[in-house]
Amino acid sequence: GIQVEQSPPDLILQEGANSTLRCNFSDSVNNLQWFHQNPWGQLINLFYIPSGTKQNGRLSATTVATERYSLLYISSSQTTDSGVYFCAVDDIKGAQKLVFGQGTRLTINP
Amino acid sequence: NAGVMQNPRHLVRRRGQEARLRCSPMKGHSHVYWYRQLPEEGLKFMVYLQKENIIDESGMPKERFSAEFPKEGPSILRIQQVVRGDSAAYFCASSPRQDYNEQFFGPGTRLTVL
Repeated sequence: GIQVEQSPPDLILQEGANSTLRCNFSDSVNNLQWFHQNPWGQLINLFYIPSGTKQNGRLSATTVATERYSLLYISSSQTTDSGVYFCAVDDIKGAQKLVFGQGTRLTINP
Repeated sequence: NAGVMQNPRHLVRRRGQEARLRCSPMKGHSHVYWYRQLPEEGLKFMVYLQKENIIDESGMPKERFSAEFPKEGPSILRIQQVVRGDSAAYFCASSPRQDYNEQFFGPGTRLTVL
């Protein structure tokens, strides 16, 4: 099945810093989503981005489908950005079951 | 527009009891997915259902686990005779139709088996 690798596994930053999280995947996808799992365990949908670039406030994401990677950018980090960020892709075209990466644990210190 | 709703949010069961987890998809969504997050294994797909049909249950454990999505009412994930290894967070997601790829996730149910 499709493989999803996220890097870095852990990231510790000071408030106000910028960060880039990466997601590599091993095959063509129909779906790529980024999630934030907050310290209370809730999964928050950030982006649906199988290709192209999207922005939402301080967050933006870019997926280069031909090169099989996606990047999540967080600018001017706040302590509330702390948590685990997951990338997830569909298994094969039309299968509609997401395969998750292992996540990047982001800690923003005040 | 209310999001995906799951209840209960926290569920405690003793070994051997049954656990029933409920998921109400977003309004207008007829496709439901269940995922499980075990402490050391990350998030894994369990089952994909449409109204009254199981489409893909390739991620479901072979025994004790079942899922349904009736014509009326929420989707139910049922775990019989729970064991400590079933302790995990169970997430439900929904989408409006088969050709709509984005999945919208609920807040999850945290199951603790004593």
